[in-house]
Amino acid sequence: EPEVTQTPSHQVTQMGQEVILRCVPISNHLYFYWYRQILGQKVEFLVSFYNNEISEKSEIFDDQFSVERPDGSNFTLKIRSTKLEDSAMYFCATQGLAGSNEQFFGPGTRLTVL
Amino acid sequence: AQSVAQPEDQVNVAEGNPLTVKCTYSVSGNPYLFWYVQYPNRGLQFLLKYITGDNLVKGSYGFEAEFNKSQTSFHLKKPSALVSDSALYFCAVSPVNDYKLSFGAGTTVTVRA
Repeated sequence: EPEVTQTPSHQVTQMGQEVILRCVPISNHLYFYWYRQILGQKVEFLVSFYNNEISEKSEIFDDQFSVERPDGSNFTLKIRSTKLEDSAMYFCATQGLAGSNEQFFGPGTRLTVL
Repeated sequence: AQSVAQPEDQVNVAEGNPLTVKCTYSVSGNPYLFWYVQYPNRGLQFLLKYITGDNLVKGSYGFEAEFNKSQTSFHLKKPSALVSDSALYFCAVSPVNDYKLSFGAGTTVTVRA
């Protein structure tokens, strides 16, 4: 069964450093998402991406965040200058068709900012 | 803006007993509704969805959920719980024509042998 993969599984970084989280979507999926889950809190939407551009972003997704699909396969989330409060589990999700289809989630990357 | 409420942080049941995890939602227009399950150190796994049609939807691992428009609820049910059903369950909603999911806070289900 096809699945979404994410690397790394755990990233530890110093405050102020840049991190790039990577996701390999399910082949032929067209819609891509990043969500995050701060420990003990609910899963929160960050950004959606379709046709090589951002479709929608949340208030959390400020100028420190960016997404891209550099090579047509990987889907990346970059945080330019990490803050302590960026520590969370980051989930990539992909979707084959709009709206009515379920999103398939990757296993997540646990980001720890020290 | 849409939102989801899962009123119970924890649900504890004995193996073999019925399991219900409650979810209510708020959304403009018609909703798409989803249930996901998360096992420790794992991602979210899709269980089932309601898009349109029959109010009772059946999903993976023997789970089902009933959409109740008048009560804006989408409770998850399983007639006979297993110890392996112990996990964190999330209800999620998106409006039709909007793709982002809004999740509830999650309900931890513990099924004791």
